[in-house]
Amino acid sequence: DAGVTQSPTHLIKTRGQQVTLRCSPKSGHDTVSWYQQALGQGPQFIFQYYEEEERQRGNFPDRFSGHQFPNYSSELNVNALLLGDSALYLCASSLLSGLAIGDTQYFGPGTRLTVL
Amino acid sequence: DAKTTQPNSMESNEEEPVHLPCNHSTISGTDYIHWYRQLPSQGPEYVIHGLTSNVNNRMASLAIAEDRKSSTLILHRATLRDAAVYYCILRDPPGSGNTGKLIFGQGTTLQVKP
Repeated sequence: DAGVTQSPTHLIKTRGQQVTLRCSPKSGHDTVSWYQQALGQGPQFIFQYYEEEERQRGNFPDRFSGHQFPNYSSELNVNALLLGDSALYLCASSLLSGLAIGDTQYFGPGTRLTVL
Repeated sequence: DAKTTQPNSMESNEEEPVHLPCNHSTISGTDYIHWYRQLPSQGPEYVIHGLTSNVNNRMASLAIAEDRKSSTLILHRATLRDAAVYYCILRDPPGSGNTGKLIFGQGTTLQVKP
């Protein structure tokens, strides 16, 4: 079992550009959540996808959008990048039915985004 | 969302027990207490969770105060590989609307000295 995988590992962009980050969930999982972790801070919830739809969203602007594919993998898109978007972006997967009974989430290693 | 308070950092000696405290005075009666840890250059990983009773697993023990306003994560014999940021998180109770969203604080950075 490969666990949660994310690509790319690192990415450098300039202000105003757009970026797409990718996540493959743990085998058997159907729900993907995205988190942003600024340096020295705890992760902040961006949104969660299930059945290709956004299920819940945190306090992030519309520049942050996502997508989930039929195979449960997911993408995070960020438009009009700002310097403050520099962070580690984490993907977490789970089973929706598991979340309902308090199951945990499994995190990937993250994508380090640097905006210059 | 209920908040948790943890010390910024703690130190421990290798092979000694470590007690990581967490205060959650505004916890509701149905919030679960979860602990995750984040090793350097990795994503967070689940450690343990509980509601009212103390819990044990292969990684750690969780001691929950009787009034549930605080809890303590116990690592019985710290190793160098336990050096990480430990997060104490309150989660919504199980239910069909539960997204499992995790609200992280800044956590406690644990240093383990050889």
